[in-house]
Amino acid sequence: GAGVSQTPSNKVTEKGKYVELRCDPISGHTALYWYRQSLGQGPEFLIYFQGTGAADDSGLPNDRFFAVRPEGSVSTLKIQRTERGDSAMYLCASSPTGGNSPLHFGNGTRLTVT
Amino acid sequence: QKEVEQDPGPLSVPEGAIVSLNCTYSNSAFQYFMWYRQYSRKGPELLMYTYSSGNKEDGRFTAQVDKSSKYISLFIRDSQPSDSATYLCAMSAVAGANSKLTFGKGITLSVRP
Repeated sequence: GAGVSQTPSNKVTEKGKYVELRCDPISGHTALYWYRQSLGQGPEFLIYFQGTGAADDSGLPNDRFFAVRPEGSVSTLKIQRTERGDSAMYLCASSPTGGNSPLHFGNGTRLTVT
Repeated sequence: QKEVEQDPGPLSVPEGAIVSLNCTYSNSAFQYFMWYRQYSRKGPELLMYTYSSGNKEDGRFTAQVDKSSKYISLFIRDSQPSDSATYLCAMSAVAGANSKLTFGKGITLSVRP
């Protein structure tokens, strides 16, 4: 079946603009995660959804970052007033509920803030 | 000090070599250990997933966990050019859907034909 799909694959925006990054998880996966990966670093946790609710948003760096998952499937990561330091690869992952299921990652959205 | 430290790279080996990749961690709460492979411009792909101390083998890959030393390793036997990628170790305190992974920095491996 289809894997985790992220769009767009690349996004270039100007400092101060607003961006939205979309994630389509694997069908039936109720858990959804957002991670951020800077160049030369490992991914860092941002937020985790179980169904429609954000179960853990402790990784969001500040209030410019917000994520939603209104119907428990597709999720959107929203970044307001973008800064050059926000430039990174934004990765989405999903997993089924329960058990020892590993995370399945998408190919990410590479965000560049100029 | 970061919670997870990974040996710095890059690493270049000839085809057929045995590769050893290592991570150390400081958080005793970590119980689940993973190795991910990441090709350029792609998302991480799970290679190995282990819980207990000891070895787990899957084809040419062996994952080793030593909880007493807080040390994990990934061994790649008979390395191939297609193994050229970045390898990330990852850990979590809770299994499954409630897991929040902490990753190492990653090491870039190049296997020369």
